[in-house]
Amino acid sequence: DAGITQSPRHKVTETGTPVTLRCHQTENHRYMYWYRQDPGHGLRLIHYSYGVKDTDKGEVSDGYSVSRSKTEDFLLTLESATSSQTSVYFCAISSGQGRGETQYFGPGTRLLVL
Amino acid sequence: DAKTTQPPSMDCAEGRAANLPCNHSTISGNEYVYWYRQIHSQGPQYIIHGLKNNETNEMASLIITEDRKSSTLILPHATLRDTAVYYCIVRGNGNQFYFGTGTSLTVIP
Repeated sequence: DAGITQSPRHKVTETGTPVTLRCHQTENHRYMYWYRQDPGHGLRLIHYSYGVKDTDKGEVSDGYSVSRSKTEDFLLTLESATSSQTSVYFCAISSGQGRGETQYFGPGTRLLVL
Repeated sequence: DAKTTQPPSMDCAEGRAANLPCNHSTISGNEYVYWYRQIHSQGPQYIIHGLKNNETNEMASLIITEDRKSSTLILPHATLRDTAVYYCIVRGNGNQFYFGTGTSLTVIP
């Protein structure tokens, strides 16, 4: 399995509070991604990074921000959590984005916003 | 990326081969076929991918038809631990893998 860890694995928080999720990789891959998974929607891309300090928005980026100050770490921040952000969050990594490149996923973080 | 169609669920007897079909009739020439699976509550796990030739690795085989409009993932000797949701994804360039609803495979003892 790819060396990807996510922390925390589970979190319960209240509406309006800030939340930061961490993704850490040991593979030195250039690309990192944050997805969320909800029933009936599959996995949807939130943000991704193509290098240190280089990030871009995905399909469902509203309400989320990201930062990548080191190759190995990609942080996802919910500035003011809402109940609609209750979800399972997956981090993924890949060495490239070209045809034939593969993304490898982390174990996920279950977030409940009350 | 081309759309894929998979049966919502399948059963397979333990020890038998599991053959999971996928239709991707609008696939273009430069798009790859990927298969992932997701065991309950875990992150998606990469299985295999291919462009036009059949592929095999330690987990599975991928058979792509000559016209590339469909493919089959084969788990040669299914075990109970292969019970999962299997996703067929067609992808060209780009930053996202689009996971649909997949096929829920149940391996029966």
